Amino acid sequence: SQKIEQNSEALNIQEGKTATLTCNYTNYSPAYLQWYRQDPGRGPVFLLLIRENEKEKRKERLKVTFDTTLKQSLFHITASQPADSATYLCAPSYSSASKIIFGSGTRLSIRP
Amino acid sequence: DAGVIQSPRHEVTEMGQEVTLRCKPISGHNSLFWYRQTMMRGLELLIYFNNNVPIDDSGMPEDRFSAKMPNASFSTLKIQPSEPRDSAVYFCASSSPGLAGAGELFFGEGSRLTVL
Repeated sequence: SQKIEQNSEALNIQEGKTATLTCNYTNYSPAYLQWYRQDPGRGPVFLLLIRENEKEKRKERLKVTFDTTLKQSLFHITASQPADSATYLCAPSYSSASKIIFGSGTRLSIRP
Repeated sequence: DAGVIQSPRHEVTEMGQEVTLRCKPISGHNSLFWYRQTMMRGLELLIYFNNNVPIDDSGMPEDRFSAKMPNASFSTLKIQPSEPRDSAVYFCASSSPGLAGAGELFFGEGSRLTVL
């Protein structure tokens, strides 16, 4: 069955450093991979989408990579800030109209 | 745009009662998803619709759960009878695949259900 794994432990990073979150998937060949941010008590919010033919995508301080050989996506936040503290979820999908399943999420804490 | 609207935001009910959760997707979006989130199981996909038609309901836990989408602007998730293990936050999300947004989901604020 399809399986999505994210950093199981919470990630604690010093402000100003780069945070790197991992998303691994098995039994899957997604055409898209999305990343979301979720704050406590709120719904997830879309951050970035990367397609299988794209190696890297950037948006301001965020960078996502997609390695279809390793079946892995990396999510980077550069110059991290305490306001970046949240849970980050990855979601691979076969197509833009197909079911979207989420990983368990990684809780990121940025300390001042 | 008001975003995805869910109601109620909080529901406390007793075991055995019927629960109906409601969702109004963003106007123009033609895909709608229902998710359930708990600490133990994370964010689970229950069912999703394309153009008001249920496409995949394999995540619906059992026959006590049912979902409908009678038109493009409204969906319901019903639990009958409810059980304490149904306690969770239920999220509705909509998307518009095929446009420049390529299917990213817009989530509502969720309905927190507590079954006593």
